[in-house]
Amino acid sequence: AQKITQTQPGMFVQEKEAVTLDCTYDTSDQSYGLFWYKQPSSGEMIFLIYQGSYDEQNATEGRYSLNFQKARKSANLVISASQLGDSAMYFCAMREVGDTLTGGGNKLTFGTGTQLKVEL
Amino acid sequence: DTEVTQTPKHLVMGMTNKKSLKCEQHMGHRAMYWYKQKAKKPPELMFVYSYEKLSINESVPSRFSPECPNSSLLNLHLHALQPEDSALYLCASSQWETSGNTIYFGEGSWLTVV
Repeated sequence: AQKITQTQPGMFVQEKEAVTLDCTYDTSDQSYGLFWYKQPSSGEMIFLIYQGSYDEQNATEGRYSLNFQKARKSANLVISASQLGDSAMYFCAMREVGDTLTGGGNKLTFGTGTQLKVEL
Repeated sequence: DTEVTQTPKHLVMGMTNKKSLKCEQHMGHRAMYWYKQKAKKPPELMFVYSYEKLSINESVPSRFSPECPNSSLLNLHLHALQPEDSALYLCASSQWETSGNTIYFGEGSWLTVV
């Protein structure tokens, strides 16, 4: 079953405006991590922001902030003051901790992504 | 700039060829990963190495053979691939596999199998 849901296949925003990209997740783990990555057409997966499940405050990194609502299992990305260079695919991802007896594993499960287009 | 370096950036190979993808990081990370990404799809995990040992293999066909010669290097050996294996292959690393630390990706290697 899909554990990360991004319901917006595509979004448009005007330059200098703020935009929110939605992400909901499903897990029975108490300890987990949520990531947002940006992927331009070049293919590189660029880390933007991280939120741990026990973090009480919402994560912020420059123009990026993560609106973490644990009870609703949502982790929306807010980009303030959008720039033309923000046009890219954005992925929400959840880290699952693997079985430590077999060596563990830091598995990232990705959502289907949101294609963001910033317009003049 | 990414601190995970992948080579080559682009690779075209025939179905009978043997080639390798290489990944290098100098952040002191002890966990390294291979992901495969098809066009317009999210990345999918293939392999996880922890302290230079294979810890996760997501049922990947044996025509893909990973190797971790040391803590900084991760290779993916390719042999007898199929056209459907054409994809973007992303390498990633993190400080330790079960920690909450950030997972950093490289720029990817675009593979085309002809």
